[in-house]
Amino acid sequence: KAGVTQTPRYLIKTRGQQVTLSCSPISGHRSVSWYQQTPGQGLQFLFEYFSETQRNKGNFPGRFSGRQFSNSRSEMNVSTLELGDSALYLCASRDSLEAFFGQGTRLTVV
Amino acid sequence: ELKVEQNPLFLSMQEGKNYTIYCNYSTTSDRLYWYRQDPGKSLESLFVLLSNGAVKQEGRLMASLDTKARLSTLHITAAVHDLSATYFCAVFYMEYGNKLVFGAGTILRVKS
Repeated sequence: KAGVTQTPRYLIKTRGQQVTLSCSPISGHRSVSWYQQTPGQGLQFLFEYFSETQRNKGNFPGRFSGRQFSNSRSEMNVSTLELGDSALYLCASRDSLEAFFGQGTRLTVV
Repeated sequence: ELKVEQNPLFLSMQEGKNYTIYCNYSTTSDRLYWYRQDPGKSLESLFVLLSNGAVKQEGRLMASLDTKARLSTLHITAAVHDLSATYFCAVFYMEYGNKLVFGAGTILRVKS
């Protein structure tokens, strides 16, 4: 059974640019959540998608957005990048009981 | 506000010793998870605790959940170097948007 796949694994972007990260959940899982991990703030919830609908969003500015496709794959987008957006972005694929995390995308903003 | 507090935040222990990591949370939930993270890696699921009194064991690790006290513990028995990692507890809140609220993590270093 394939796990959660996130691409790309690493990204370096310049301030002001935008970035799109991708997440393919475990087959059959319809819930995909995104988390941001930084040394200062720890792991913080960004948003959750279920059957192409955003069900909840964390306390992040509107520059952070996402979507989910009919095959449950999800993308998150960050526009007008700031230095503080440098983080490990983790995607979680969830069934009724458990959340499984992908390897993450390490985003560095310079 | 949904808060999850772990302590200690850093734990240095000798091989062969026992220790416990504590996870307290502010708002009632009956679902709690423990994850392990190695440097630069993702989160590996260790335990899923789904009800009051739940106890799970895997190797040298044992986790328990007391929903009335809003407390979970991760007990390490006879630590070995391979257990060195960061351990996170996370509380699941369905009624607050199906999200996990994480503790700050406990950095565990096992010295040989």
